[in-house]
Amino acid sequence: NAGVTQTPKFQVLKTGQSMTLQCAQDMNHNSMYWYRQDPGMGLRLIYYSASEGTTDKGEVPNGYNVSRLNKREFSLRLESAAPSQTSVYFCASSGPGQGSTEQFFGPGTRLTVL
Amino acid sequence: AQSVAQPEDQVNVAEGNPLTVKCTYSVSGNPYLFWYVQYPNRGLQFLLKYITGDNLVKGSYGFEAEFNKSQTSFHLKKPSALVSDSALYFCAVRDPRNYKLSFGAGTTVTVRA
Repeated sequence: NAGVTQTPKFQVLKTGQSMTLQCAQDMNHNSMYWYRQDPGMGLRLIYYSASEGTTDKGEVPNGYNVSRLNKREFSLRLESAAPSQTSVYFCASSGPGQGSTEQFFGPGTRLTVL
Repeated sequence: AQSVAQPEDQVNVAEGNPLTVKCTYSVSGNPYLFWYVQYPNRGLQFLLKYITGDNLVKGSYGFEAEFNKSQTSFHLKKPSALVSDSALYFCAVRDPRNYKLSFGAGTTVTVRA
């Protein structure tokens, strides 16, 4: 039982490049989330998916897109990376029911945009 | 709107002394409250939660937290801190009517030997 896994662990991009961050969970959770963590700002929600087939914007969605590929996988795409997107990105999941309580986090992806 | 405030950026305590990390929240209605811990270069780990019931909640690694509705607080406590408790601690609140979890800015705890 791996919990929540994320790939890659580290990534360096140049401004304007695109990339997709992958997330998968094996806990049969319905809900999945993408956050970014910046110093002194805690975690901010980018997008979430309450259940398979649905996605909604969080606090800071601009510059990102998501895909809930199936119940296990939730990817985050940066179409044209900007230096302001330099951050640590965390995926999380919760369940089994919709809106269930605590979230479980992956190990994070450290992204640098030059 | 829901929000969390962690008024202390840093807390420093000696090993064996009590540890308190403060958290206040703002949310409409009855809150769901959480504490998470983050060790360097790791993801967040769930410590404990308050959903309903007893105001004193016990969690992992000897931590506990007390929900105080009148003061809108949910302070994290540990009676006797360990050096291994040194980490970044986040308080979070959720309005049960939505999925959004709002985090505080975090408090860095340093426990000196």
